[in-house]
Amino acid sequence: KAGVTQTPRYLIKTRGQQVTLSCSPISGHRSVSWYQQTPGQGLQFLFEYFSETQRNKGNFPGRFSGRQFSNSRSEMNVSTLELGDSALYLCASSLVVPGKGGEQFFGPGTRLTVL
Amino acid sequence: AQKVTQAQTEISVVEKEDVTLDCVYETRDTTYYLFWYKQPPSGELVFLIRRNSFDEQNEISGRYSWNFQKSTSSFNFTITASQVVDSAVYFCALSAPGQAGTALIFGKGTTLSVSS
Repeated sequence: KAGVTQTPRYLIKTRGQQVTLSCSPISGHRSVSWYQQTPGQGLQFLFEYFSETQRNKGNFPGRFSGRQFSNSRSEMNVSTLELGDSALYLCASSLVVPGKGGEQFFGPGTRLTVL
Repeated sequence: AQKVTQAQTEISVVEKEDVTLDCVYETRDTTYYLFWYKQPPSGELVFLIRRNSFDEQNEISGRYSWNFQKSTSSFNFTITASQVVDSAVYFCALSAPGQAGTALIFGKGTTLSVSS
């Protein structure tokens, strides 16, 4: 079974631009979560989707948004990029519905660099 | 508030040594889940284990073992006879799901370096 896939793997943008990252979960998984990883802040939760609905959101500004499609694929968008948005963005999928503490399986991540 | 503390930032050992990675968590929830993930240099987080708060049985999987103690709010991870391939960053994480979802709260990670 294929794992979580994320595209693109690497991205370079300039301040003020916007970016869209894509995530395809493991087949059959309907829960998708996004995390940001930086050297300073570590791994931080962004949001979680299940059945096309956002179920949980981390403490990030409104410039960070996401959505989930009917096939469970998810995208996240960051508008008006700032230098501090440079990070590894990780997507995770789970077979278990939200609220049940299921294992989350991570993709390889998208490394975003903002210049 | 929920929190995970991994006090060891970096550990260096020589192959075949045993090594224990510490994890201390904080939560007021009675139902919660604890996880360990491995992040090799490639960057992908690899799931290692999940435990729920009602199961304090220790677990062994090959060279890996986990010690969960609710009395001390700890969930420590031991690698026996370490190998160079064990070199990675290891993260302990907590999930205290409720109606809101299943966000993982991660510790800062412990970088393990195993030399030959």
